[in-house]
Amino acid sequence: QVHLVQSGAEVKKYGASMKVSCKASGYPFISFGISWVRQAPGQGLEWMGWISAYNGDTKYAQKLQGRVTMTTDTSTTTAYMELRSLRSDDTAVYYCARVVGSTYAFDIWGQGTMVSVSS
Amino acid sequence: SYVLTQPPSVSVAPGKTARITCGGNNIGGKSVNWYQQKPGQAPVLVIYYHSDRPSGIPERFSGSNSGNTATLTISRVEAGDEADYYCQVWDSSSDVVFGGGTKLTVL
Repeated sequence: QVHLVQSGAEVKKYGASMKVSCKASGYPFISFGISWVRQAPGQGLEWMGWISAYNGDTKYAQKLQGRVTMTTDTSTTTAYMELRSLRSDDTAVYYCARVVGSTYAFDIWGQGTMVSVSS
Repeated sequence: SYVLTQPPSVSVAPGKTARITCGGNNIGGKSVNWYQQKPGQAPVLVIYYHSDRPSGIPERFSGSNSGNTATLTISRVEAGDEADYYCQVWDSSSDVVFGGGTKLTVL
């Protein structure tokens, strides 16, 4: 079965960095991209960016440019998302999701990682 | 940037048909995906490429897309369909865009 399993909840201080992992299993890792999507409490879904598991190409949402870095480790079939200079509005549940086809649909999602940022 | 507009809420009685709209400029020319999200859970893809259903998604879920509006239709609504629903497209200028979400209430 196809699974994406994310790392656990984190509490961070204002200005710190966070790094969430997303372990993929049950499919050929390099055949699909991974996107990261976040959801602030009580809010909608916000796309953060995408990484190709095949060659590491990335595309980030404009508002996060310069603060976010997405990477993959093909040896462990794990994707990572690092967000720096955290502020209170980065408090959210962070999801990784597998990207399929030219429709850019997200067919498999991780369980989500809650990250709380406090001063 | 590209914007997708959804109604905040839709209510429907059990057994009836729910229609959730997603408005966007010439959205009919784009591939639209729809997600269902229940409280405390990750989203689930229910429709992709306008009207295709992933395996395991009931035939009661269907999608259409034309002009400036895409529509998710849920036939014979059940209590278990109560959730938030999000539309999503990829746009060349904005990359991935989500609608604001629609809360479906089953009366």
